[in-house]
Amino acid sequence: QAHLVESGGGVVQPGRSLRLSCAASGFTFRSYAMHWVRQAPGKGLEWVSFISYNGSDKSYADSVKGRFTISRDNSKKTLYLQMTSLSAEDTATYYCARDPNSYGYSSLEHWGQGTLVSVFS
Amino acid sequence: DIQMTQSPSSLSASVGDTVTITCRASQSINRYLNWYQQQPGRVPKLLIFAATTLQFGVPSRFSGNGSGTDFTLTISNLQPEDFATYYCQQTYITPYIFGQGTTLEIK
Repeated sequence: QAHLVESGGGVVQPGRSLRLSCAASGFTFRSYAMHWVRQAPGKGLEWVSFISYNGSDKSYADSVKGRFTISRDNSKKTLYLQMTSLSAEDTATYYCARDPNSYGYSSLEHWGQGTLVSVFS
Repeated sequence: DIQMTQSPSSLSASVGDTVTITCRASQSINRYLNWYQQQPGRVPKLLIFAATTLQFGVPSRFSGNGSGTDFTLTISNLQPEDFATYYCQQTYITPYIFGQGTTLEIK
């Protein structure tokens, strides 16, 4: 059974950095592309970032480009999101999700429970 | 960036009803369109990918249609657990933007 567990969230001051982790188990992590998605309190879903199965291809939302970096360690079955220059607008629950890329179509098939990031002074 | 617009933003219906939610892309996305359901306090769940393909384990009362710029999610014979918020998402080109969501409420 696929399992994704995010960690690393917390309260942080504006301008500071934070690194989120997403530990995978129950499936062949190295075979799947992965995404980060966030949801501000009471708001909708916002796609944040994508990384291909081998880490060679990455993409970011305009709102985080240049500040956030996605990476993965397939030997540790872990996905990361390094976040810098955080602002109040980054306050959200951050979810990691796996992407099976079925028949060439990307989708967020399985999600973790999320980790909350709160940015305020 | 491709923008995704859902309509309506909210709707009310009764158990047993059939409802349709629409999602429009600002440019053609072929069939690179997913639908998700998020129940209150829960993690989003993939319902449909590639515009029309039902995700494994999702009840057949959910169906997706469309291609190009216009897409629909139809839920037939509404059940109590279907009252939730629904999101479309395009995965034609990054950024993989979500629609703003449609909240389905019990009438």
